[in-house]
Amino acid sequence: AQRVTQPEKLLSVFKGAPVELKCNYSYSGSPELFWYVQYSRQRLQLLLRHISRESIKGFTADLNKGETSFHLKKPFAQEEDSAMYYCALKAGANSKLTFGKGITLSVRP
Amino acid sequence: DTGVSQDPRHKITKRGQNVTFRCDPISEHNRLYWYRQTLGQGPEFLTYFQNEAQLEKSRLLSDRFSAERPKGSFSTLEIQRTEQGDSAMYLCASSQTASNYGYTFGSGTRLTVV
Repeated sequence: AQRVTQPEKLLSVFKGAPVELKCNYSYSGSPELFWYVQYSRQRLQLLLRHISRESIKGFTADLNKGETSFHLKKPFAQEEDSAMYYCALKAGANSKLTFGKGITLSVRP
Repeated sequence: DTGVSQDPRHKITKRGQNVTFRCDPISEHNRLYWYRQTLGQGPEFLTYFQNEAQLEKSRLLSDRFSAERPKGSFSTLEIQRTEQGDSAMYLCASSQTASNYGYTFGSGTRLTVV
């Protein structure tokens, strides 16, 4: 069975500092990895997908199959990045999403 | 179509009562998912539909829980004989078949069992 681990519950940084939100997964096949974000009082929304190799709002994430990781990074955090972030995995196109427990990012002025 | 809609937003019920939630997915999405989220946890999968067929159910979904999607459009999730442990946010999401775009989530229904 697949599993997603987000080892930290909270990351607090100052504005302008680099951010790395850790995500590790357990799955024997080729997974699809996602990061979802939930801003205060808003619904859960897709931030980025590993398959598109895109940068969204300055965030990037690289799938490292050797380390089974998909860490989310941003070089310079902004206050508006404060939110709950969830890493999620799909074990194939027809599979369901499995989420990690999430991490709260707090960016202080 | 403004996205995935869930109704009600909040529900407070007494232990032992039955409750039913509704989800209206994005109209062109043929897959619909139900998740449950408790404090400090990520969303946990409950069940999903492709059109009107229920394709998978989690072992989290006890026999007190039932979900339907009768015409392949909206879905309902019913909890019978509610327990305090059922208190959670119930999330609905939809997607296209085999989409690698992930899901579109609704705002959720927060259930409180007193």
